[in-house]
Amino acid sequence: QKEVEQNSGPLSVPEGAIASLNCTYSDRGSQSFFWYRQYSGKSPELIMSIYSNGDKEDGRFTAQLNKASQYVSLLIRDSQPSDSATYLCAVISNTNAGKSTFGDGTTLTVKP
Amino acid sequence: NAGVTQTPKFQVLKTGQSMTLQCAQDMNHNSMYWYRQDPGMGLRLIYYSASEGTTDKGEVPNGYNVSRLNKREFSLRLESAAPSQTSVYFCASSEAQRREQYFGPGTRLTVT
Repeated sequence: QKEVEQNSGPLSVPEGAIASLNCTYSDRGSQSFFWYRQYSGKSPELIMSIYSNGDKEDGRFTAQLNKASQYVSLLIRDSQPSDSATYLCAVISNTNAGKSTFGDGTTLTVKP
Repeated sequence: NAGVTQTPKFQVLKTGQSMTLQCAQDMNHNSMYWYRQDPGMGLRLIYYSASEGTTDKGEVPNGYNVSRLNKREFSLRLESAAPSQTSVYFCASSEAQRREQYFGPGTRLTVT
């Protein structure tokens, strides 16, 4: 089992819809969770960080964390074509000397 | 404020050649990281430096060495390049180990 798994893509949604991206992790000692967006040929850029259970909202983006279920998700409301990118989930565990582990990413396409 | 910078942007090496990838950050961050990203995959940690003067192996350290020259600079060296090291290399930095990371633009390396 991979340490960080993301729902296999690609994911396609129409413009204006809600895109839901999911990530599960295996290490119960994980404490820090991040979502990065990566456009094709570019470097990852941070979208959201979340450290405690519950929801965290920033504009059209909402990160949800459930440590009991070892699950973190990213919701993108009112999806725009400019949201088309690969989204990477990253997890840092206290038991792994603070090293980040990334999922393989989910590619999102928002169709006009 | 340039953030994280990397040189070179592109490089082609022959098998057995050596080279050093340079990374610098101007955000006064304590921690720095080197990742590689292969097509269709997430980021894999090669080495990281939690703070100036320390370095540790990540998930895929074989064939690489690093130097944390000072707080700003973290270099990655390939002593004898192999075709399996063809990849995109990203440098990143963070305020502390368990905080969000900021990425450089990447170096596209091809080993023939």
